[in-house]
Amino acid sequence: ETGVTQTPRHLVMGMTNKKSLKCEQHLGHNAMYWYKQSAKKPLELMFVYNFKEQTENNSVPSRFSPECPNSSHLFLHLHTLQPEDSALYLCASSQVGAGLAVYSYNEQFFGPGTRLTVL
Amino acid sequence: LAKTTQPISMDSYEGQEVNITCSHNNIATNDYITWYQQFPSQGPRFIIQGYKTKVTNEVASLFIPADRKSSTLSLPRVSLSDTAVYYCLVGGRVKAAGNKLTFGGGTRVLVKP
Repeated sequence: ETGVTQTPRHLVMGMTNKKSLKCEQHLGHNAMYWYKQSAKKPLELMFVYNFKEQTENNSVPSRFSPECPNSSHLFLHLHTLQPEDSALYLCASSQVGAGLAVYSYNEQFFGPGTRLTVL
Repeated sequence: LAKTTQPISMDSYEGQEVNITCSHNNIATNDYITWYQQFPSQGPRFIIQGYKTKVTNEVASLFIPADRKSSTLSLPRVSLSDTAVYYCLVGGRVKAAGNKLTFGGGTRVLVKP
């Protein structure tokens, strides 16, 4: 496997279900991200993890719970979702500089996404 | 974060050059300009990044005027497979807390035969 992989590619769940999305990056990066893309809306950044530590939470509802056990894996745990949460969920990774004094901007590599439908 | 404005859609024909202009009037001194391409049901893919003047790679060119308040992505001799949504992003070289990209609506480019 190369690049960024996501599983499952498609998921249909009821509002009372609990499911998890998985993302794995094989690029040796140290930062990972979750984005949400709803129909006809721009990509929205949800969470950022840097060196396994969550550094950004863009006011995401608590029914979305991220987990980053190591720098290669990222999960998004879902519970009691609403139909309006149906969207394409994208994972991305990038390499960032170590230390707060170092500024770096590198391209983000995106996975293929998980198409989520909440019934 | 600087806000970007780009056309909603553009049509072109195979073999033509496509130029997409993005406005970013409140770009900051440390901001870079980056373009991504997205095909349906796929994640965006990095195309090109620049700070000023002109940048060229194997797939595109990026023209940035001296005031940096706009930028133009140029796709030479497009093919049908270049049909996609193109996003212009403006962001600084952020500290190691992680890059924070803000995507706008993008420009939907349709290449016709």
